[in-house]
Formats: sequence, structure tokens, C-alpha cells
Amino acid sequence: ETGVTQSPTHLIKTRGQQVTLRCSSQSGHNTVSWYQQALGQGPQFIFQYYREEENGRGNFPPRFSGLQFPNYSSELNVNALELDDSALYLCASSSGQVPYNEQFFGPGTRLTVL
Amino acid sequence: AQSVTQLGSHVSVSEGALVLLRCNYSSSVPPYLFWYVQYPNQGLQLLLKYTSAATLVKGINGFEAEFKKSETSFHLTKPSAHMSDAAEYFCAVSEGLTGGGNKLTFGTGTQLKVEL
Repeated sequence: ETGVTQSPTHLIKTRGQQVTLRCSSQSGHNTVSWYQQALGQGPQFIFQYYREEENGRGNFPPRFSGLQFPNYSSELNVNALELDDSALYLCASSSGQVPYNEQFFGPGTRLTVL
Repeated sequence: AQSVTQLGSHVSVSEGALVLLRCNYSSSVPPYLFWYVQYPNQGLQLLLKYTSAATLVKGINGFEAEFKKSETSFHLTKPSAHMSDAAEYFCAVSEGLTGGGNKLTFGTGTQLKVEL
């Protein structure tokens, strides 16, 4: 069974640029969530996709957007990058919409904005 | 909104000593609670979860946690610390989303250091 994978592992961008992060969910999982983890903080929920539809969003501006594909993989796009966007971006997959289901996390993408 | 508070951003114990990491929750409904561990440069791994089936929950690597409604707590313990337990630990509560599904709301984490 393949776990959650994310690419790239590291990324350096400059302020104002755009970035796309990718996530492959664990086999059999139809739900993908994205989290932002700033240095020294706990992960913060960005949004969740279920069967290609966004079904919830955290307190992030519209320049954070996402997609989920028919194979349940997902992308996170961030436009007009700001210095504060520097963080570890974590993708998590789960099965179904049950609230006590485990979310399986990928290793993350470390984004640095200069 | 639901939230969790982790007391102590850094905890240091000797190898073989008891590990106690504190987590208090705030929730208007019966919560679903989780403990995750994060090793350096890695994602999060589930240690255990509370789903109301039993108040004492046993997880991986010898960890356990007890749900105490009267104290709104879900503290993580391990009887004997091992060097390999050094990591960051996050308590989280599951919260429903308007479109269905759930999100995790995390505490700020506790860095556990294990000393010889």
C-alpha cells in the first residue's frame, strides 16, 4: 500500500510569484486535506476536497486555491506569494467523511519565499 | 469552534522516566481527539485517537491517553521514555465542515527531549 506522497520536497520562490504543490493520496482514499505549518506552530487547515469538490475551507485568502483530480490526487496553488507563506505544506488523505477517520499525512513540501 | 491547548512547548525527561504531555480541549459537542507525532523533516504520524468507545486509549509505541470529560483533558503518557521518542507531539480535535467531512484543529505542539 503506497502512502501519501508530495512533490516537490523543497521549493524556493520569490515574493509575488506563483507556486503549485502536488499530492498523491493513499490508495483507496477519496478525501484530501491541505495544511500549512509555519515554523514552531501546529498545522493550520487550508481546505479539503472530497470527490473533486471543495467541502470546507479554513481562514486563508482566495489566492490559496486547489484542485482534486478523478484519481483523487490534488494540487495546492498559491498566487502572489508573500513572505509569510514560507512554511511546510502538508497534504493528508482519508477515506470518506467520517469525523473520527484518521488522516494520513505526507512528508510535506517546504516552501521558502524570499 | 473547537480548540486544543497544549501546556508546555518543551518537555525534557530522562530515558526510562515517565512521559506526560498535556492537552486540554474546548468543544461544545463530544469531541474526537487525536495525538500525532512529527519527527524532524517528516509528516505527522497518528499515535492514537479517542472516538468515545473507551476513555483509556492505547496507541503505538507504548503511548496511551485518557479522556477525562470533567477536566476536558486528553493527556498523553508513556511509562518509560526511550531516546527514539524524541520528537514533536501534537494534540488535535476533529471538527465538522459545512460541506461534510472534517478538519483537524491542532495545538501548538510539545517538543519532547529525552536525555540519557
